[in-house]
Amino acid sequence: EVQLVESGGRLVQPRGSLRLSCAASGFTVSNNYMSWVRQAPGKGLEWVTSIHSSGSTSYADSVKGRFTIARDNSKNTLYLQMNSLRGEDTAMYYCARDRPLTFWGQGTLVTVSS
Amino acid sequence: QSALTQPASVSGSPGQSITISCTGTSSDVGSYDLVSWYQQHPGKAPKLMIYEGSKRPSGVSNRFSGSKSGNTASLTISGLQAEDEADYYCCSYAGSYVFGTGTKVTVL
Repeated sequence: EVQLVESGGRLVQPRGSLRLSCAASGFTVSNNYMSWVRQAPGKGLEWVTSIHSSGSTSYADSVKGRFTIARDNSKNTLYLQMNSLRGEDTAMYYCARDRPLTFWGQGTLVTVSS
Repeated sequence: QSALTQPASVSGSPGQSITISCTGTSSDVGSYDLVSWYQQHPGKAPKLMIYEGSKRPSGVSNRFSGSKSGNTASLTISGLQAEDEADYYCCSYAGSYVFGTGTKVTVL
């Protein structure tokens, strides 16, 4: 059974850093197209970043240069390194598999506030 | 890329059919048959309902159908049921994803 479990979300101060994890089971992360999607409180879905099985990455303009998507094959885990965090980065962050986004985790909440 | 345009809300009575529109441009919705639709209940993760414009994943009710005309994609829910009350988002893939603004479906 495919399962995605996000973790790492918490309260962080503006300009701070945070790393989110997405532990996968039932499939191999490195063999699949993986993405992060976020949703600000009461708002719609926003694509953040994706990584192809080849390793190529793409980012939304809003996070380019600040966020980095990566994977650890030995841990079968996807990561999102977030630097220079801003208030507008406050959101529930979901990891998802495939293109289209077929399987989703339950999300982890990131709050950026002083 | 700008978000795709959806109506903020659509409502219908049980058993009726409703249609949600999703308007983009010739660079996204109009160029590719890669529109997907997601259902999201409060406090839950989104769920894929339609992909490649009109295909249903295994397990999704055939009451849900998708179509496209020009730069506008549509999701139709027939035989509306109480459990269909949720937010719905369209999404287009053209090298990166762009989501719609979201539509709240209310079952009267």
